[in-house]
Amino acid sequence: SQQGEEDPQALSIQEGENATMNCSYKTSINNLQWYRQNSGRGLVHLILIRSNEREKHSGRLRVTLDTSKKSSSLLITASRAADTASYFCATDLNTGFQKLVFGTGTRLLVSP
Amino acid sequence: DTEVTQTPKHLVMGMTNKKSLKCEQHMGHRAMYWYKQKAKKPPELMFVYSYEKLSINESVPSRFSPECPNSSLLNLHLHALQPEDSALYLCASSRGLAGVSGELFFGEGSRLTVL
Repeated sequence: SQQGEEDPQALSIQEGENATMNCSYKTSINNLQWYRQNSGRGLVHLILIRSNEREKHSGRLRVTLDTSKKSSSLLITASRAADTASYFCATDLNTGFQKLVFGTGTRLLVSP
Repeated sequence: DTEVTQTPKHLVMGMTNKKSLKCEQHMGHRAMYWYKQKAKKPPELMFVYSYEKLSINESVPSRFSPECPNSSLLNLHLHALQPEDSALYLCASSRGLAGVSGELFFGEGSRLTVL
């Protein structure tokens, strides 16, 4: 079952521009995580934001979380061609089990 | 060592074959996962092992059989698969804090083709 819907499904920008991806989810969560996946490869963890946090930064990444709207956004500033990848949000459902469910993903293309 | 190693990277099998996918981590993580990913789709959770015990089975068909021989190893035994089972199979691990998922560390995946 999928918990998160991501928007947009695909995003195409030029190097140096900012990229914003949004994630909406359905049920209460312990935390929300963002992952990146280069084509056909494994996923790499980017950032984790807990349900009691509203904003978090890591390098060129900024994540926000609005639990009242059940939504999160990932902002990548000053994008580079190497940022081209698929980005997934993942929610840790508040079930008491280790269950991380991934959203539908945003495919980001950064052109030089 | 922050790696999760999956073998083989590619596997082609017939519908009557029996094969296994293997996953290994040496980070001392106590939770290990199998995910299945079809092209242009998100990973879908199949199984979760916590402290070497199966804690979640997401109603996966019995032709997929997981095994956790010890805290570092996770196998996925495959038998009588269907062509629609062709996908990227991802293994992951995490520290295994009870009740709350932390960061998952993923392997590069095993790409399975069923003929």
